[in-house]
Amino acid sequence: AQSVSQHNHHVILSEAASLELGCNYSYGGTVNLFWYVQYPGQHLQLLLKYFSGDPLVKGIKGFEAEFIKSKFSFNLRKPSVQWSDTAEYFCAVIWLDDTDKLIFGTGTRLQVFP
Amino acid sequence: NAGVTQTPKFQVLKTGQSMTLQCAQDMNHEYMSWYRQDPGMGLRLIHYSVGAGITDQGEVPNGYNVSRSTTEDFPLRLLSAAPSQTSVYFCASSLSPGTGNYGYTFGSGTRLTVV
Repeated sequence: AQSVSQHNHHVILSEAASLELGCNYSYGGTVNLFWYVQYPGQHLQLLLKYFSGDPLVKGIKGFEAEFIKSKFSFNLRKPSVQWSDTAEYFCAVIWLDDTDKLIFGTGTRLQVFP
Repeated sequence: NAGVTQTPKFQVLKTGQSMTLQCAQDMNHEYMSWYRQDPGMGLRLIHYSVGAGITDQGEVPNGYNVSRSTTEDFPLRLLSAAPSQTSVYFCASSLSPGTGNYGYTFGSGTRLTVV
């Protein structure tokens, strides 16, 4: 069955700390991968996406993610977080050779303290 | 502004009432989806559509109906509301995967409370 796992449910960091949020999906095949961010009280916004090519993807606001096909992973990173990065982060996957449904992980709540 | 428009933004229903959540997009997107967001559970797919006249079930379809008579609109119907359907509902739309620079655009959500 299609599933997406985000193992970090709640992450607390100080400003300038480095961030890595894990995302794993259930099985291989051709996938498109996304990270979305939801700031408090707002709707989801796209941070970055991977379709093909260079497995290291750069997104907005200094975020990047690395696709590792052999590990079914798409981890999100940022070298130095800011207080304004406090939000909930969602990984999402589409399996293109299956149903084309966009399936989300359960999300990671990030709190950054000054 | 182009995008995904959801109405209403807030709604309170009594158990057993029915209602329709509206979703419209003006980007000529083929794909449209409905999600519900609950604390600690992320976004779960209710129903989705890959084009006018075509709909399919997602992860949690029970208690909800959809139809897609036009490309622009994808309403979600609650047949007989239950407290378990208290949630925030998001509609999203996208070009079909592999089409240009596709990616899902989300509406601002409908916060539904069933009492």
